[in-house]
Amino acid sequence: GAGVSQSPRYKVAKRGQDVALRCDPISGHVSLFWYQQALGQGPEFLTYFQNEAQLDKSGLPSDRFFAERPEGSVSTLKIQRTQQEDSAVYLCASSRQGFNEQYFGPGTRLTVT
Amino acid sequence: GESVGLHLPTLSVQEGDNSIINCAYSNSASDYFIWYKQESGKGPQFIIDIRSNMDKRQGQRVTVLLNKTVKHLSLQIAATQPGDSAVYFCAENSGGSNYKLTFGKGTLLTVNP
Repeated sequence: GAGVSQSPRYKVAKRGQDVALRCDPISGHVSLFWYQQALGQGPEFLTYFQNEAQLDKSGLPSDRFFAERPEGSVSTLKIQRTQQEDSAVYLCASSRQGFNEQYFGPGTRLTVT
Repeated sequence: GESVGLHLPTLSVQEGDNSIINCAYSNSASDYFIWYKQESGKGPQFIIDIRSNMDKRQGQRVTVLLNKTVKHLSLQIAATQPGDSAVYFCAENSGGSNYKLTFGKGTLLTVNP
């Protein structure tokens, strides 16, 4: 079946704009994760959903970041009033349960100018 | 495209040689470790995992070694091929978490034909 998909693949935003990044996990996967990956770095955990419940949002850098998964499938990561330091690749991953066999999407590259 | 290798440890090998990529992990309470491969413009791809009750695990052309005493993990790739060229990340389940992964910085592997 299809893997994890993310849209858009690339996003350029002017500083101060709001953006919304979408993740379509693998069908039936209970767990969904968002990561932020800066250039030349490993992914850093942002938040974790189990079905529609957001169980951990400790990695979100500020209250400008918000994630939701209202029906336990598609998830959206929203960043309000974007800043230059928000420029990164945002990765979504899903798994049947927990982190085992976590499947990653291709990411959305966000550039804030 | 951008170069992700500017700030990463790099390893350059000849096609057919064996490669060894090393990783030091940070949390002695972590008990699950994963190696990921990330090609340019793609999300990380699962390679192999190991639990802390094991010292060694083998897959197809890959072997992971775990030394808990010195908190060290290594990935051995046998008969390295040009398609193995990528950035390799180790990840640990943060302090024994059943969902949260902490990724290392990554190593850029370049295979010369």
